[in-house]
Amino acid sequence: DAKTTQPNSMESNEEEPVHLPCNHSTISGTDYIHWYRQLPSQGPEYVIHGLTSNVNNRMASLAIAEDRKSSTLILHRATLRDAAVYYCILVGGGADGLTFGKGTHLIIQP
Amino acid sequence: GAGVSQSPSNKVTEKGKDVELRCDPISGHTALYWYRQRLGQGLEFLIYFQGNSAPDKSGLPSDRFSAERTGESVSTLTIQRTQQEDSAVYLCASSFGRNSNQPQHFGDGTRLSIL
Repeated sequence: DAKTTQPNSMESNEEEPVHLPCNHSTISGTDYIHWYRQLPSQGPEYVIHGLTSNVNNRMASLAIAEDRKSSTLILHRATLRDAAVYYCILVGGGADGLTFGKGTHLIIQP
Repeated sequence: GAGVSQSPSNKVTEKGKDVELRCDPISGHTALYWYRQRLGQGLEFLIYFQGNSAPDKSGLPSDRFSAERTGESVSTLTIQRTQQEDSAVYLCASSFGRNSNQPQHFGDGTRLSIL
């Protein structure tokens, strides 16, 4: 799977929007962009995924650059429960197991 | 609805003993994955099952590790003659097939500690 680059950590205030960036300049045409998050002592939790178009679901929005070399996960109104490590992953065709990098540690201040 | 269920949630055992970990996937999910996560590390893929096809065992770290799955239901991961290096959280995930457009849904894992 192609590599992604994320900031090690980000901090935000409760009830404010959060924009988590991810760079994936070597993405191939068939790679989907997936986001997962992992809260302490829990398994990873699926957040959202997309291919080319922006995506919205009840948890978040995913904005994908036109050249697909970067994407941004948007949490519209952060809560303390959103404090977690967020992973941006490229998933290719015939995907094997997921490969998680170090992700972004999101800290939410009350 | 019910998510992926793993048991036990915690397991402490002595070096050299065998352990068996269980995973109940989401009903209807044909694909099932096992991962290992060492403290402070990312996920390490172990094995993958898809329906009745032969499993993809390419990630198993040694022949002490094995896994079984009956049809599209429960899976067990067995570690024989455990070593201290096997201490980790073992995670199971399931999905609607092996497809890059299908998200994986994870259980909360079994935390294995080898004394």
